[in-house]
Amino acid sequence: QVTLKESGPGILQPSQTLSLTCSFSGFSLSTYGMCVGWIRQSSGKGLEWLANIWWNDDKYYNPSLKNRLTISKDTSNNQAFLKITNMDTADTATYYCARGNWFAYWGQGTLVTVSS
Amino acid sequence: EIVLTQSPTTMAASPGEKVTLTCRASSSVSYMHWYQQRSGASPKLWIYETSKLASGVPNRFSGSGSGTSYSLTINSMETEDAATYYCQQGSSYPWTFGGGTKLELK
Repeated sequence: QVTLKESGPGILQPSQTLSLTCSFSGFSLSTYGMCVGWIRQSSGKGLEWLANIWWNDDKYYNPSLKNRLTISKDTSNNQAFLKITNMDTADTATYYCARGNWFAYWGQGTLVTVSS
Repeated sequence: EIVLTQSPTTMAASPGEKVTLTCRASSSVSYMHWYQQRSGASPKLWIYETSKLASGVPNRFSGSGSGTSYSLTINSMETEDAATYYCQQGSSYPWTFGGGTKLELK
């Protein structure tokens, strides 16, 4: 059974760095062809793809967030991570992690609020 | 970046009605994926690689398309189908989602 669960700080101040963790089970990110991605959704808005990390450590980012994103993984502990620097109120959203070439499995999401 | 435009943005359908949602890409893509999202819940994979139904998806749903034009069809609308549907392309980076179609029950 594949499960994913996101965790994050809940609230942070503008200009701070957001650190998110995706803890998963039922698959390994060291398996050929495996991928974990991060997607966010602002309240009442659509989905925005942020980044992917693949089993071979290839990484892809949404250029709209310029150089603010860093994705990484800890294969031994079945976790993936996303850091976003210089957070702004516009980054307030629910952040999801999901598995696969197509996102067949999603976490429940973690709400991140940026507020001073 | 490939922009995906979904239409309509919102629509209402009666039980038993046939429904077609469309997704147009700004450049050709190899395939399209679709997700269903109910209010307050995470998105669910609904259709992948243009026409393959995800596990548990009723066979009244179908997907089709190629190039820049894709669609999701519900053969006969049911109450439980009311939700927002998003298309997504993974043919080229950055991966992108459409803006969504909110399907309501009439």
